Amino acid sequence: ETGVTQSPTHLIKTRGQQVTLRCSSQSGHNTVSWYQQALGQGPQFIFQYYREEENGRGNFPPRFSGLQFPNYSSELNVNALELDDSALYLCAGGQGGSPLHFGNGTRLTVT
Amino acid sequence: AQSVTQPDIHITVSEGASLELRCNYSYGATPYLFWYVQSPGQGLQLLLKYFSGDTLVQGIKGFEAEFKRSQSSFNLRKPSVHWSDAAEYFCAVGPFSSNTGKLIFGQGTTLQVKP
Repeated sequence: ETGVTQSPTHLIKTRGQQVTLRCSSQSGHNTVSWYQQALGQGPQFIFQYYREEENGRGNFPPRFSGLQFPNYSSELNVNALELDDSALYLCAGGQGGSPLHFGNGTRLTVT
Repeated sequence: AQSVTQPDIHITVSEGASLELRCNYSYGATPYLFWYVQSPGQGLQLLLKYFSGDTLVQGIKGFEAEFKRSQSSFNLRKPSVHWSDAAEYFCAVGPFSSNTGKLIFGQGTTLQVKP
């Protein structure tokens, strides 16, 4: 039990559409990070939020955006979906230098 | 450039045999080092971490890892593998600072266990 819950578990979208993925983290996780894991690859850092502000971003275009809410929940939004966006999206909660706790991910398929 | 290399994409061992998964990193500052395991369709579970101190760290499920600064390595070991250890293993490195979740992951090593 990591204390991080993601929804939905699976999602199918069409190219050009927009998608919102959700993450709920336990109390005490004051940072939330999002990762993209393509098939057969290691996770790639998308961005992190700390106290509801973006606090670090990886090499992802602006159509990837996020929000963090006061209740420790978070959203990842992706606009103008492309086929290459098909991946497992992982959310991770953390607190001040402690190891990240990952959710089970949302599997996004773009057709 | 910051990176993590896991030289072995796929490893097969017999149940009961010993295991070593290799990890090399390139990082410009003092790193945090981690090993995570991922079962099919699941998220990442932390096996162990190294922050500072003793270079041999113990983790869950009987795993251990040794940090060797001179070799920029953080290899994962287990004396006797169980069939349930079959999974994907990821080495990761992160900054030695608080409030940052930016980890750099290796490509992963798939472990297959033969009966």
